[in-house]
Amino acid sequence: DVKVTQSSRYLVKRTGEKVFLECVQDMDHENMFWYRQDPGLGLRLIYFSYDVKMKEKGDIPEGYSVSREKKERFSLILESASTNQTSMYLCASSFRKGQFFGPGTRLTVL
Amino acid sequence: KQEVTQIPAALSVPEGENLVLNCSFTDSAIYNLQWFRQDPGKGLTSLLLIQSSQREQTSGRLNASLDKSSGRSTLYIAASQPGDSATYLCAVSTSGTYKYIFGTGTRLKVLA
Repeated sequence: DVKVTQSSRYLVKRTGEKVFLECVQDMDHENMFWYRQDPGLGLRLIYFSYDVKMKEKGDIPEGYSVSREKKERFSLILESASTNQTSMYLCASSFRKGQFFGPGTRLTVL
Repeated sequence: KQEVTQIPAALSVPEGENLVLNCSFTDSAIYNLQWFRQDPGKGLTSLLLIQSSQREQTSGRLNASLDKSSGRSTLYIAASQPGDSATYLCAVSTSGTYKYIFGTGTRLKVLA
């Protein structure tokens, strides 16, 4: 079975802090994704990576950056956290057999 | 631009009932369609994947069908149980990128 893990289930940070969210998958998938999920807005794609060191902006990339130095790891970076980035962050990886998600990180920015 | 719609947004049914969840999409040029389940505060769990050349997939009490020409998929749940209570999301991917467009989900409550 595919396993996607995320570094934290819950995270509390202060406004202006730099935040790192990490995601690791164990199935050698080419594609990895970061989404945020908010009530009433559904899942929104932040960034997408289709290979090591390759990235593509999603629908809401502002305020975020990503890093993919190794195939199995995809990091989401909030350069200067703001309260409107309080959300559930979901990482996923995919290949031909569909998309597989991690357990999510609930981030609260105070 | 691909849009995915799920109706109804919420559904309550008594235990034991068979039910159908609907998913529609605007562009029939899809690579595959995937159904997920999400429990509150958790990530998404993959239920079924239907590739564009397939008409349906089954897993246990779940059966998903795909009609690309009409832009529709249904998820059939047989003999529903309280443990089936969750939000169900469908997502479609377009060719070549493996990017997925998600519907906003149907929140299902199965009453004991």
